Amino acid sequence: QKEVEQDPGPLSVPEGAIVSLNCTYSNSAFQYFMWYRQYSRKGPELLMYTYSSGNKEDGRFTAQVDKSSKYISLFIRDSQPSDSATYLCAMSANNLFFGTGTRLTVIP
Amino acid sequence: GAGVSQSPRYKVAKRGQDVALRCDPISGHVSLFWYQQALGQGPEFLTYFQNEAQLDKSGLPSDRFFAERPEGSVSTLKIQRTQQEDSAVYLCASSLVGGSGTEAFFGQGTRLTVV
Repeated sequence: QKEVEQDPGPLSVPEGAIVSLNCTYSNSAFQYFMWYRQYSRKGPELLMYTYSSGNKEDGRFTAQVDKSSKYISLFIRDSQPSDSATYLCAMSANNLFFGTGTRLTVIP
Repeated sequence: GAGVSQSPRYKVAKRGQDVALRCDPISGHVSLFWYQQALGQGPEFLTYFQNEAQLDKSGLPSDRFFAERPEGSVSTLKIQRTQQEDSAVYLCASSLVGGSGTEAFFGQGTRLTVV
């Protein structure tokens, strides 16, 4: 079993939809939780970073962490075609572990 | 520049050739990470430096892989006697603080193709 599990998708939604992306993990030592966005042929770009359980909002993006269930989510409101990318969850204790990424396409 | 810089962006190597990949982290960043990303997969951890000290190299797939950061800034990932399975994007990331790699910023990556 991988340390971080993420549904690879692909996920296609119409413009304006709410997108929900999720990851589960097995290592209770993980303390920091991140979401990265990766465009084709680019490096991952940090979107959201959280430490504790709960919600964190930044514009159209909301990150949610539930440590008791070992489950994290990223919600994208009013999705735009420019949001089309691969979204990677990541979490760390001493090193940074990534999910496989979910490929999202927002259709105009 | 302000971000993490990697060179070359693309590298084609013949099987058996040695390659060296360079990473210039963000100035002042203590931690530096190398990752390998296969097509359609998430980045897989290779190794981690805190300043010049290589604190974790548990992800290096074989003894053909070697990384160094002699002055605590620029890092080089070297792959000896490249094999086809080494073909991947190699990503470098740096973060300001030591330890857990929080808020790590990535470079564009070096796409290595072994033919």
